[in-house]
Amino acid sequence: GAGVSQTPSNKVTEKGKYVELRCDPISGHTALYWYRQSLGQGPEFLIYFQGTGAADDSGLPNDRFFAVRPEGSVSTLKIQRTERGDSAVYLCASSFTGGDYGYTFGSGTRLTVV
Amino acid sequence: SQELEQSPQSLIVQEGKNLTINCTSSKTLYGLYWYKQKYGEGLIFLMMLQKGGEEKSHEKITAKLDEKKQQSSLHITASQPSHAGIYLCGADRGSNTGKLIFGQGTTLQVKP
Repeated sequence: GAGVSQTPSNKVTEKGKYVELRCDPISGHTALYWYRQSLGQGPEFLIYFQGTGAADDSGLPNDRFFAVRPEGSVSTLKIQRTERGDSAVYLCASSFTGGDYGYTFGSGTRLTVV
Repeated sequence: SQELEQSPQSLIVQEGKNLTINCTSSKTLYGLYWYKQKYGEGLIFLMMLQKGGEEKSHEKITAKLDEKKQQSSLHITASQPSHAGIYLCGADRGSNTGKLIFGQGTTLQVKP
């Protein structure tokens, strides 16, 4: 596609529920990143994929968070047993390599846990 | 404390005025990225700096990376309402993954 697409754009869920956030990167981009942005803060790194594998998942806050990219294209961020503190904008970015030429970010998914 | 400190946190300027936003790191930067974000939208890539002393310009925006590669500045000349938004600097720490550490952002308002 022309840009990085994230769905849904907004998600409201109840505490304790499971959610999935989807990212469609730019076609041909091998690197894919997930970031989380809380209100008034800069994005915080969560996980990085190179192809199908998670090359760096050091930013995932705990084992309730998991992400996959089974075919090296679309990625899904999965959050189990959501907590109110998970409320944030989840941003996805992709690039040809490790960001040497800058990433293209999606518009994000605004997750609200009530 | 933040690994990357941006200053000021917010800025209100009159249209036509120049302004500067700073981004300071306590560690050497392998790459420094500037992004702009509007509320509810993703980050728009502005510029990337890698070499000490490097300076890049695009339209009315100029970014510099100092010789020690620990501080960058973003300068806007003759600001316009379209420049309003949140400006974020992101640092590559040389992890070879391309992941970035971001500053907390600077919110810019331009009064017509």
